[in-house]
Amino acid sequence: EAGVTQFPSHSVIEKGQTVTLRCDPISGHDNLYWYRRVMGKEIKFLLHFVKESKQDESGMPNNRFLAERTGGTYSTLKVQPAELEDSGVYFCASSQVITDTQYFGPGTRLTVL
Amino acid sequence: GEDVEQSLFLSVREGDSSVINCTYTDSSSTYLYWYKQEPGAGLQLLTYIFSNMDMKQDQRLTVLLNKKDKHLSLRIADTQTGDSAIYFCAEIANTGGFKTIFGAGTRLFVKA
Repeated sequence: EAGVTQFPSHSVIEKGQTVTLRCDPISGHDNLYWYRRVMGKEIKFLLHFVKESKQDESGMPNNRFLAERTGGTYSTLKVQPAELEDSGVYFCASSQVITDTQYFGPGTRLTVL
Repeated sequence: GEDVEQSLFLSVREGDSSVINCTYTDSSSTYLYWYKQEPGAGLQLLTYIFSNMDMKQDQRLTVLLNKKDKHLSLRIADTQTGDSAIYFCAEIANTGGFKTIFGAGTRLFVKA
């Protein structure tokens, strides 16, 4: 069974540009989560989808971040326009049941110059 | 609010045991987790313990849970250089939605 995959693995962009990160959850997992770790700090929750609906987006830092999950399969996280403080590693996770263990992808390392 | 705390750095000699400690605040968590992140790699689910257990052993790994003190530890026996990584303690908190709350991570450095 394939795990959670993320694309790209690395992205280097300039301040003000747009970047879109993609996450493919484990097949059959209705729950999809985005997290990020900035500057070696804690891994922080961003948001949670149940199928295509946003269940909890309390961790989204501001309106420069837009997450979508059309069709309830893969998800994208767009940052527009990117700022220096957005640099970090963005992790995606999925789970079959909302209370179940969340399995994480390898992360996308975003560097904003 | 929910919080998970762990020491940031641990250095051991190869062959010794490593003990990484963690404290958490949400007593309603059903499971508590240890994740491992090797350099340049993603998060790997290392092991987890159900909240009604006080110990779980898996080969070289031993997880101890003190629910009264909200203290979780991970013991790695016969630590190897390949165990060098960042270890994250985590719990799933129900705060209107279920999210994983992580500690800041303990960087384990194993000296040959």
